[in-house]
Amino acid sequence: AQSVTQLDSHVSVSEGTPVLLRCNYSSSYSPSLFWYVQHPNKGLQLLLKYTSAATLVKGINGFEAEFKKSETSFHLTKPSAHMSDAAEYFCVVSDNTGGFKTIFGAGTRLFVKA
Amino acid sequence: ETGVTQSPTHLIKTRGQQVTLRCSSQSGHNTVSWYQQALGQGPQFIFQYYREEENGRGNFPPRFSGLQFPNYSSELNVNALELDDSALYLCASSPRTGVNTEAFFGQGTRLTVV
Repeated sequence: AQSVTQLDSHVSVSEGTPVLLRCNYSSSYSPSLFWYVQHPNKGLQLLLKYTSAATLVKGINGFEAEFKKSETSFHLTKPSAHMSDAAEYFCVVSDNTGGFKTIFGAGTRLFVKA
Repeated sequence: ETGVTQSPTHLIKTRGQQVTLRCSSQSGHNTVSWYQQALGQGPQFIFQYYREEENGRGNFPPRFSGLQFPNYSSELNVNALELDDSALYLCASSPRTGVNTEAFFGQGTRLTVV
């Protein structure tokens, strides 16, 4: 059965410092993994996706994530936080077992301090 | 290119009533998914429609039903509303079905059940 665990409900960083948002997943098959961002009063937007082509995935706005099968992790990173990165981030897993299904993690709220 | 639009933006209903939420998919997209996002939680997958057929469903009771029309727009119907149905309902469209496909989200309909 699929599951997604985002290990931190809140993360606070200073502007210009690195960002790490952690995600572990469980999936019976080769998963498709995504990170989405939700800014206040805006729709969810895709940051990046992993689809088995490369384990290090680069996304928009300087974000990247590394798929580690041995650790069942898909952590999101950014070298230098910007104030505009403050938002809710969701790790997502999808598969087609018994019909299409997708599961969102509970989310991590990122705060960026000036 | 028009994005995903949902209507209405806000809605208040009484327990036991029925509600219909509407979604216009992005131009060129033939797949629509619906999600329920309770306050402070991640979106939960309700179901997906591809070319007017349901091709995946999450853990929601049968009183949650849907339709997709020939122009690929969609409706979510909820019967016998309960207080716990109060949430943000998100619609997302995709250019095709499949686990690797990005979803483009609307801004949601905020449903309050009293």
